[in-house]
Amino acid sequence: DTAVSQTPKYLVTQMGNDKSIKCEQNLGHDTMYWYKQDSKKFLKIMFSYNNKELIINETVPNRFSPKSPDKAHLNLHINSLELGDSAVYFCASSQGGGDQPQHFGDGTRLSIL
Amino acid sequence: AQSVTQLDSQVPVFEEAPVELRCNYSSSVSVYLFWYVQYPNQGLQLLLKYLSGSTLVKGINGFEAEFNKSQTSFHLRKPSVHISDTAEYFCAVRPTGGGNKLTFGTGTQLKVEL
Repeated sequence: DTAVSQTPKYLVTQMGNDKSIKCEQNLGHDTMYWYKQDSKKFLKIMFSYNNKELIINETVPNRFSPKSPDKAHLNLHINSLELGDSAVYFCASSQGGGDQPQHFGDGTRLSIL
Repeated sequence: AQSVTQLDSQVPVFEEAPVELRCNYSSSVSVYLFWYVQYPNQGLQLLLKYLSGSTLVKGINGFEAEFNKSQTSFHLRKPSVHISDTAEYFCAVRPTGGGNKLTFGTGTQLKVEL
């Protein structure tokens, strides 16, 4: 059983479209995250939710909106996609923060045409 | 705020040779330290972590790392690498005082050659 699963794995779309990426974790963790990995492999946190409450909201365009229907799911919706949104988006989860490691999904590769 | 520097973007090494991947960090507060590995087209996996106590920590796949507080470093080592170790390696820190934000370095590509 996959611990942190993301769908879709690949997403190819045109500029201006709206798309969503889904994430689910079956580890029983209470905290989930979205990261963006750019073409140079740099990883930057975007959002974090703890028990469905937003706790980290980095400087991200408001075209990006996370949504956590329950603590096992964290979805990412992106409006009006731009070329610069092309990247790999990773979902992760952990049990709280601090010394607890984060468990990552396999990523969603988003390509904007 | 924290920052993590991985000076080597790429490290080529022959199979069965030893390797060291360097990580230095900057923080005004004490931190937990982590090393993650990313294989091609996969997410990150935890290799090892330093929380407290012994400064030498052992992780999976024969890797170990040593925390040096005075030099603010957390270098990753393996005495003998294998082709399957070819991957991207990320060092990361998180404040011990609370908070969930993990700050990553820019990664080091380890390429193991025959």
